[in-house]
Amino acid sequence: KAGVTQTPRYLIKTRGQQVTLSCSPISGHRSVSWYQQTPGQGLQFLFEYFSETQRNKGNFPGRFSGRQFSNSRSEMNVSTLELGDSALYLCASSFAVGGGEAFFGQGTRLTVV
Amino acid sequence: AQRVTQPEKLLSVFKGAPVELKCNYSYSGSPELFWYVQYSRQRLQLLLRHISRESIKGFTADLNKGETSFHLKKPFAQEEDSAMYYCARQIQGAQKLVFGQGTRLTINP
Repeated sequence: KAGVTQTPRYLIKTRGQQVTLSCSPISGHRSVSWYQQTPGQGLQFLFEYFSETQRNKGNFPGRFSGRQFSNSRSEMNVSTLELGDSALYLCASSFAVGGGEAFFGQGTRLTVV
Repeated sequence: AQRVTQPEKLLSVFKGAPVELKCNYSYSGSPELFWYVQYSRQRLQLLLRHISRESIKGFTADLNKGETSFHLKKPFAQEEDSAMYYCARQIQGAQKLVFGQGTRLTINP
């Protein structure tokens, strides 16, 4: 079956702009989580969605937001981009909440200039 | 806060030598622990989880509640084991994972 798909793979944005990243989970998976990966901070949890509801949110400013649609696809949005938002953003999907393996996408590499 | 600590950022061993990647977690209830691996130019993938108690690619990891550790071990390292390894803890009742900082393992020929 197809894996987790993230689009776009690469993005270059200017400070102050906003960006939307997309994640299509594995068919049948209803849980989607987002992570930010940077060399300095490693993998940091952003948010988790299940059945269109945000279940957990990480310690990120309000500029970071997300949502999940009825088909389980998810988007995350970052407004008023800062240089420090440059990172690899990873999406993971799983069948249910708690205890199941998380399958990761290839990520979206965001560069803010 | 639930923390996962991987004390070694870099680890280099020779092919055929034993390898141990350390992971410690902050104690809180019954932890659900995982090892994820990221090979060069590949996506992050699950290597093993503590409840399955299985060996994957020759790797094993034992949960030691007394020492709050979940070290990853392999008796004979192979060159293809070179990768970034992350220890992670799943938050109870959620899909959220708390990751350690990762250990880059390099196997020298």
